[in-house]
This record gives sequence, structure tokens and C-alpha cells, in this order.
Amino acid sequence: DSGVTQTPKHLITATGQRVTLRCSPRSGDLSVYWYQQSLDQGLQFLIHYYNGEERAKGNILERFSAQQFPDLHSELNLSSLELGDSALYFCASSPYGTGHDEAFFGQGTRLTVV
Amino acid sequence: DAKTTQPPSMDCAEGRAANLPCNHSTISGNEYVYWYRQIHSQGPQYIIHGLKNNETNEMASLIITEDRKSSTLILPHATLRDTAVYYCIVRVTDSWGKLQFGAGTQVVVTP
Repeated sequence: DSGVTQTPKHLITATGQRVTLRCSPRSGDLSVYWYQQSLDQGLQFLIHYYNGEERAKGNILERFSAQQFPDLHSELNLSSLELGDSALYFCASSPYGTGHDEAFFGQGTRLTVV
Repeated sequence: DAKTTQPPSMDCAEGRAANLPCNHSTISGNEYVYWYRQIHSQGPQYIIHGLKNNETNEMASLIITEDRKSSTLILPHATLRDTAVYYCIVRVTDSWGKLQFGAGTQVVVTP
């Protein structure tokens, strides 16, 4: 158990809908990262938050947004969903988010868009 | 961040050491080498990281060449539970350090 909690574990929704994925980081970790893993793309970095502020953006679509709340949990919002958004979404946390601390991953949310 | 090159797959016999190579010939002086693994769609699991010295922990050893252009992850006594995709990643130390995953090496440990 990494200490990172993601909910829900599975989500099935229809095209055009909006969903929210939630991540609770390990106790004391200030950084949260979101990753997307689809079959043909591997693990893709989406976005990084540190103590409530966005620090880095990766290949995140404009239809997707994220935020980190004062209690440090984070949410990833996916809207106008398309079939191609079906993927595993992982959240990771680390103490600081600089280049030499360890990131611990949750077990992911499997999103299926039908 | 520097790119890494890993073999796409390798097999290892249970109980033997698994030596996983990684090439990172364009690595910069301020980049660490990280290893993660992912067991069948679970969240990636941190294994070890290092800058220029060899490192060892309860899971594995990391050997980095003197010129830092390549490294080897050693699993000393592979078990069936070590079957996973192993990712070698280089990461800048002073930036907001996102991990950029490549394709990794699919390691299959056989009885």
C-alpha cells in the first residue's frame, strides 16, 4: 500500500459526460501528479500541483482540468468525454516535487467511456 | 530531461539475478536516474534512484557507470512476483520533477 488513495476504482460513463476523479496523497506530501495510461500511449504525465499551485503541465487536454485543495487532496475533472479518453488514470504524491524525492502512486481509476 | 533506451523485453529464471540495462547517454550532471516498475496495470512502484554512486536498498541495486551514460538495475534473486514492466527514468533535480515514462522493459520471471 503506497498510502495514496484514488477513488473511484472503476468508472463507466457515456460520451459527452463529465467525471471527477479524486486523489488523496500520502500524509505530509505536498505534491500531487496526475498520469494517464492508455493501451497505445503508455504512461503520460498530465499535470503537477504543489501545495495548491500548478507547477507543471504535460499532455493535458483542454477538456481536462485539475486542482489541489487546501487539505492537499486533488481532483481531476474530465469533460466532454470521448471514447479515446478511456484509460487508467493514476495519481502520485511526493513530499516536495523536486527532482530528487520519491513519487508514490495510487492504484488508479479505470475510466471506460462508452 | 534526457531520454533513456531500454530493451523491450527480457526473461529471467526464478532465483537468479536479473540485470536490467538502461542507456542514458545524454544525461546531464543534475539529473538523477530513477527506476520504477509496474505490475500488470497496478500503480507504478518506486524501486531506487541514484546520481552517480551505486545504490542498494532492500529491493534492488543500482549500478551507474562512471561516465553516467548507462546504468544497470539488479534484482538479486528474482521471484515470480518480480514479473513487471521496469522503467528507467532520468529526472532533473532542481526542477519541478515530473517523471517521464518511456516504454520500459517487460521482465518475465519464469519458474
